[in-house]
Amino acid sequence: GAGVSQSPSNKVTEKGKDVELRCDPISGHTALYWYRQRLGQGLEFLIYFQGNSAPDKSGLPSDRFSAERTGESVSTLTIQRTQQEDSAVYLCASSLLAGGPTGELFFGEGSRLTVL
Amino acid sequence: GENVEQHPSTLSVQEGDSAVIKCTYSDSASNYFPWYKQELGKRPQLIIDIRSNVGEKKDQRIAVTLNKTAKHFSLHITETQPEDSAVYFCAAGNTDKLIFGTGTRLQVFP
Repeated sequence: GAGVSQSPSNKVTEKGKDVELRCDPISGHTALYWYRQRLGQGLEFLIYFQGNSAPDKSGLPSDRFSAERTGESVSTLTIQRTQQEDSAVYLCASSLLAGGPTGELFFGEGSRLTVL
Repeated sequence: GENVEQHPSTLSVQEGDSAVIKCTYSDSASNYFPWYKQELGKRPQLIIDIRSNVGEKKDQRIAVTLNKTAKHFSLHITETQPEDSAVYFCAAGNTDKLIFGTGTRLQVFP
């Protein structure tokens, strides 16, 4: 596609439910990132995938959060037993190569999660 | 791991004035320092970046400087315009993940 695509764009859920967020990166981009942005706050690193290497999960805030990526394609971020503090915009970004000759991150529009 | 601090958190300037945003980083292995602009309700977009083999880079009204010894880098916007109003994020990283600063909300008043 032309850009990074995320779905759903908006998700309202009840506390305790599981949610799954999806990211379609730009074709050919080997690096994929998930960031969390709370209202009026910065970009909090969650997880990073680079090709077939083991993902860097050091930013995941708890074991309720997990993410997967199949090869260099779609990624899903799953939040189990959602809590109100999980409410935020979850941004996905992809890059040809992190920090490499073309290190620009291309962000999706984000998935806005509201936990009631 | 890398930690990036950004100051100030908010910045108000008059149109035509200059704006400076400063960031410090902790990991001496970081060698890539981009700046992203996020307009209200929109996704962050890259505006300029610099690599550790360069001390300064300029693109029209925007410039970035890097001091690797002190581990800090700055964004300079000259002749500010109302459309420069946005949140600006610095970031630091290498061939690995990028860690972002907490953002600076810039307001340019006509």
